[in-house]
Amino acid sequence: DAEITQSPRHKITETGRQVTLACHQTWNHNNMFWYRQDLGHGLRLIHYSYGVQDTNKGEVSDGYSVSRSNTEDLPLTLESAASSQTSVYFCASSETGRGETQYFGPGTRLLVL
Amino acid sequence: AQSVSQHNHHVILSEAASLELGCNYSYGGTVNLFWYVQYPGQHLQLLLKYFSGDPLVKGIKGFEAEFIKSKFSFNLRKPSVQWSDTAEYFCAVIRDSSYKLIFGSGTRLLVRP
Repeated sequence: DAEITQSPRHKITETGRQVTLACHQTWNHNNMFWYRQDLGHGLRLIHYSYGVQDTNKGEVSDGYSVSRSNTEDLPLTLESAASSQTSVYFCASSETGRGETQYFGPGTRLLVL
Repeated sequence: AQSVSQHNHHVILSEAASLELGCNYSYGGTVNLFWYVQYPGQHLQLLLKYFSGDPLVKGIKGFEAEFIKSKFSFNLRKPSVQWSDTAEYFCAVIRDSSYKLIFGSGTRLLVRP
């Protein structure tokens, strides 16, 4: 069955370190998204991609970057981790088209000390 | 800026009670509307969505939602909740031809057995 996976599922790091969170989908979807979930804020969009070599900034992109070298993967990099980036990170993907459902991965819990 | 408002942050119900969770959005153009659910420790799953046509949408597990364009609302309903409905519920909107979801802050539902 097609799926979307994230790794690691849990990560503890120190401020200033570079961290990369992986997202891999086997749906063959063009669209991929990264969100962070914080209490009281719901999910907020960090970055998104509509296809290979395409990346775009979302609502809360400062301190994060992504790259899309193939259809299946959209890794999220925290260039220099900050305590404010402690959060749960969700990756999602969707087909191209109006009203298409986004499918979410299991999430990565990141703690920045 | 477009936003999605979920008025109830926490709801506590007894089993068999009826449920209605409010969702309002602030955008006058074409929208696609979604309700996602996040069960404890799990990733987000789609409950239902409105794309076009009948404004009363039926989803999984007995949930339904009604799109009322004049009120910019998409409230979620269930006539009789179960303990297993304990979860966090998110309303989300996609506007026009964008593929980006904009989420409300979520409503935590606790159903007492």
